[in-house]
Amino acid sequence: RKEVEQDPGPFNVPEGATVAFNCTYSNSASQSFFWYRQDCRKEPKLLMSVYSSGNEDGRFTAQLNRASQYISLLIRDSKLSDSATYLCVVNEAGGGNKLTFGTGTQLKVEL
Amino acid sequence: NAGVMQNPRHLVRRRGQEARLRCSPMKGHSHVYWYRQLPEEGLKFMVYLQKENIIDESGMPKERFSAEFPKEGPSILRIQQVVRGDSAAYFCASSPPGTPEKLFFGSGTQLSVL
Repeated sequence: RKEVEQDPGPFNVPEGATVAFNCTYSNSASQSFFWYRQDCRKEPKLLMSVYSSGNEDGRFTAQLNRASQYISLLIRDSKLSDSATYLCVVNEAGGGNKLTFGTGTQLKVEL
Repeated sequence: NAGVMQNPRHLVRRRGQEARLRCSPMKGHSHVYWYRQLPEEGLKFMVYLQKENIIDESGMPKERFSAEFPKEGPSILRIQQVVRGDSAAYFCASSPPGTPEKLFFGSGTQLSVL
């Protein structure tokens, strides 16, 4: 089983739609969680951290369910510029500063 | 404040040659990480360094790969006797003190082995 699993997609959605991605992780002792965004052939960039209480940043909402070991990202009112690959990232307990990346979910927002 | 600087952006090597990838962290960052991304795969951790110290190299292949972060100058990822399977994007990242889990990535070096 992969340490961090994501549906690769692609998710093709019209502009203005709401889309949600899920991610599961295998290590129940994992401590911190993030969503990164990666545009084609470019470097990953931190989108947001994910907190146990859930957190929101503009059109983006992240949630963590420790009991089920999954993380979600909700994007409201999708823009064309949201088209990218979204990477679920986990900092595992005892892993020091080593982040484990999922393979990513590809989002395509269309007119 | 310049971001994480990696060079070269593209590197072409023939099988058996050596590849040297360079990374300068963001100003004020003392932690450097190297990740590798193979086509259609996620980023895989390779090594974590601080100045003059390798902290975690659990993701490094046992042979041909080495990394350093000297007191002066950039971090270097060195691949000796490259093979076709080494072809990948190599990303360097740095993080600030206090929030080591928040990585800032460089633009990467695309290594192609002919």
